[in-house]
Amino acid sequence: DQQVKQNSPSLSVQEGRISILNCDYTNSMFDYFLWYKKYPAEGPTFLISISSIKDKNEDGRFTVFLNKSAKHLSLHIVPSQPGDSAVYFCAALRINSGYALNFGKGTSLLVTP
Amino acid sequence: EAGVTQFPSHSVIEKGQTVTLRCDPISGHDNLYWYRRVMGKEIKFLLHFVKESKQDESGMPNNRFLAERTGGTYSTLKVQPAELEDSGVYFCASSQLGGGTNEKLFFGSGTQLSVL
Repeated sequence: DQQVKQNSPSLSVQEGRISILNCDYTNSMFDYFLWYKKYPAEGPTFLISISSIKDKNEDGRFTVFLNKSAKHLSLHIVPSQPGDSAVYFCAALRINSGYALNFGKGTSLLVTP
Repeated sequence: EAGVTQFPSHSVIEKGQTVTLRCDPISGHDNLYWYRRVMGKEIKFLLHFVKESKQDESGMPNNRFLAERTGGTYSTLKVQPAELEDSGVYFCASSQLGGGTNEKLFFGSGTQLSVL
């Protein structure tokens, strides 16, 4: 009963272009959505989040878009840099169900020079 | 400022043995979480401590898993006896305010557990 799905296991993008990572969810009661980035042999690190009452949040090169009617969110990275190569996890949180994050399986992004 | 520290980084044990994982959260963080990632699958929540109390242990797979946080500082996660399906990476995370909302969770590097 996976509630957060990342259907693309991998993505390859050229340096300087836009990377778009997608995430779908099934539970309309989620309050927050978060993206975490993970390098090999390291733990996930927080990247950006968005409240369910917003449709866009921007932080530098990273923008997250939320489409509640479609139960879909996406992370845009512009411009992409080789250092962005990592696994990106989408996660969702429902406050009334505690603070457990529901993660997707991750998308491995490769940014090529 | 030191980050979340986990020990050991790797553990290889045989089925039926016992393993204890340790997590030292960031100093001053009352909230401590354990998560697990089985290969090829999503990162799954195991449990949440607030100081020394278990706030939510709904993700613990079964009674072979025992988590403690005596004194509200470091935490241990014991698996006894270990089974093959327990293999995976065990992550610990901590936060100050008890969120996961806009407040970041700080994750450790994880313990890679292999049960043979």
